[in-house]
Amino acid sequence: QSVLTQPPSASGTPGQRVTISCSGSSSNIGRTYVFWYQQLPGTAPKPLIFRDIQRPSGVPDRFSGSKSGTSASLAISGLRSEDEAVYYCAAWDGSLTGLLFGGGTKLTVL
Amino acid sequence: QVQLQESGPGLVEPSETLSLTCTVSGGSIGTYYWSWIRQSPGKGLEWIGDIYHSGSTNYNPSLKSRVTISIDTSKNQFSLEVRSVTAADTAIYFCARVGGDPRIFGMDVWGQGTTVTVSS
Repeated sequence: QSVLTQPPSASGTPGQRVTISCSGSSSNIGRTYVFWYQQLPGTAPKPLIFRDIQRPSGVPDRFSGSKSGTSASLAISGLRSEDEAVYYCAAWDGSLTGLLFGGGTKLTVL
Repeated sequence: QVQLQESGPGLVEPSETLSLTCTVSGGSIGTYYWSWIRQSPGKGLEWIGDIYHSGSTNYNPSLKSRVTISIDTSKNQFSLEVRSVTAADTAIYFCARVGGDPRIFGMDVWGQGTTVTVSS
């Protein structure tokens, strides 16, 4: 069981906006930056968000990150079929002194 | 464009040492942090540790006693050793570049991953 908690699944129809949550604690999300990664089937993870809300170059602005207290969220607007993937949040933990990943959320585009 | 490529045995016997190398091309291994991450079959991601180009390391506390990450700047490579492996170490192993301070930038370039199976 991951220290960072994500819902195992999420779904939406094309064009919709979906959000994926990531719940942590004061020793991780509450005091450090959150990262989000997208993993398409059979491929390596791809960075989507760093420093809570920033997108690497090349990531569409349909993807956005937010954080409040000890929870973070990834929002995907204008959902497309190619967004079907597993999404992972990550954050450093001051108590455990290491990088933690959430368990991942499998997004299905209906 | 920086590219990373993992290499090493795909099969390791239980109790032996797993050794992998990540070769960095298209850029220098200097200046950055470099990480190893693994993914057990059908499971999520697990951070193993990282190394700075100076050689300083940071490890996942749950693996620290069995893991060593090293770097060879002359070859533009960094490596992973996991000792006393068991079936639980069977996974896809990814190497990745950290885009700057690890607490700020995260992993911005990833290798394609290499599958390692622990079995006799």
